[in-house]
Amino acid sequence: QQPVQSPQAVILREGEDAVINCSSSKALYSVHWYRQKHGEAPVFLMILLKGGEQKGHDKISASFNEKKQQSSLYLTASQLSYSGTYFCGTLQGAQKLVFGQGTRLTINP
Amino acid sequence: DTGVSQNPRHKITKRGQNVTFRCDPISEHNRLYWYRQTLGQGPEFLTYFQNEAQLEKSRLLSDRFSAERPKGSFSTLEIQRTEQGDSAMYLCASSLEGHTEAFFGQGTRLTVV
Repeated sequence: QQPVQSPQAVILREGEDAVINCSSSKALYSVHWYRQKHGEAPVFLMILLKGGEQKGHDKISASFNEKKQQSSLYLTASQLSYSGTYFCGTLQGAQKLVFGQGTRLTINP
Repeated sequence: DTGVSQNPRHKITKRGQNVTFRCDPISEHNRLYWYRQTLGQGPEFLTYFQNEAQLEKSRLLSDRFSAERPKGSFSTLEIQRTEQGDSAMYLCASSLEGHTEAFFGQGTRLTVV
């Protein structure tokens, strides 16, 4: 069963912040975040392994709430290069990597 | 090793023909995944391998689809008697065992006419 992402699409001006949510009806063992630009393969951003874990690099960070079975991706002071579709992935049964439907992020100058 | 490699990058075929795609994963990766992606959607899980063993196949996949990973190295995905609804991007990804990142290939775009 695939995780559910919200919102489906976000339009920002450069410098604004965004939050993308990912939730699952099944227990989450880990959450993976990927970004895909048009016509390209998904690229790994980060993985969160433990409930309560937070990670980040540059101005993109994420948190993982194991009890609520959800994760959030935070993009602060967005740059044009952040545009793309963001996917969360969850390992089901600790083995099968399943992705959400994606959140399309558009950054305008 | 330059990452996950998929061939061909594009394939146009007539309805009813068989097609086969190849994926070469990162050499030390023992897990290999196949996904299908249509425009505006997330990668849809098709099947995955742990070494040469196919551990799970999506129930959404018809019997026309088959995948192999002989010797636990490269993998092939075959679609028999293609239909227009099979038109999509087919992505391959590989990873180490456990909760580790998966690396994607550039995909094979299939168009069935």
